[in-house]
Amino acid sequence: QQQVKQSPQSLIVQKGGISIINCAYENTAFDYFPWYQQFPGKGPALLIAIRPDVSEKKEGRFTISFNKSAKQFSLHIMDSQPGDSATYFCAASKGAGSYQLTFGKGTKLSVIP
Amino acid sequence: DADVTQTPRNRITKTGKRIMLECSQTKGHDRMYWYRQDPGLGLRLIYYSFDVKDINKGEISDGYSVSRQAQAKFSLSLESAIPNQTALYFCATSVKDSGRFSEQFFGPGTRLTVL
Repeated sequence: QQQVKQSPQSLIVQKGGISIINCAYENTAFDYFPWYQQFPGKGPALLIAIRPDVSEKKEGRFTISFNKSAKQFSLHIMDSQPGDSATYFCAASKGAGSYQLTFGKGTKLSVIP
Repeated sequence: DADVTQTPRNRITKTGKRIMLECSQTKGHDRMYWYRQDPGLGLRLIYYSFDVKDINKGEISDGYSVSRQAQAKFSLSLESAIPNQTALYFCATSVKDSGRFSEQFFGPGTRLTVL
């Protein structure tokens, strides 16, 4: 049973456009929602994370929107750049420490000039 | 210099062979993890360790074993490799829970092919 569903599987966006990746979760015990970014040949790296007590978190061009009642959260990349081309994973965990992360299946983002 | 290193970076082996993947970290973190990544499936947790004497199974531990030789070293073994264990394997570390949400830091990965 997949506990974190991520869509779309792949996404092509023009430079300067907005990239939007969506995730939905089932387990209401999840209380930490990070996004990881992975470039080819590299390990994933934390991009941004949110707790369910806020509805939005913004760091530069990256924003997480969180809808607790719908059990959904999304990543928005404003003014997308070719350097943002990577695979993005949403994840969720229960409790502080994030020791057991449940990942979505990933979205491959390509930003074209 | 890399904080989390994995060796080897690539490995091709045959069905039935025993293989060990190694992970070392210089971050001083207590917690270490092994994940497996398959195309279209995301990352799945194999094993995790809170310290040298505390090792726990993850979502997909069958067919794998681990050893925490020291705080800085965590090895993953495949006792008898099979083709469906062909995947990209990642080691990760994090600090001990301090009441805050702690980031996991991933190594560069080991690409394993089982023929």
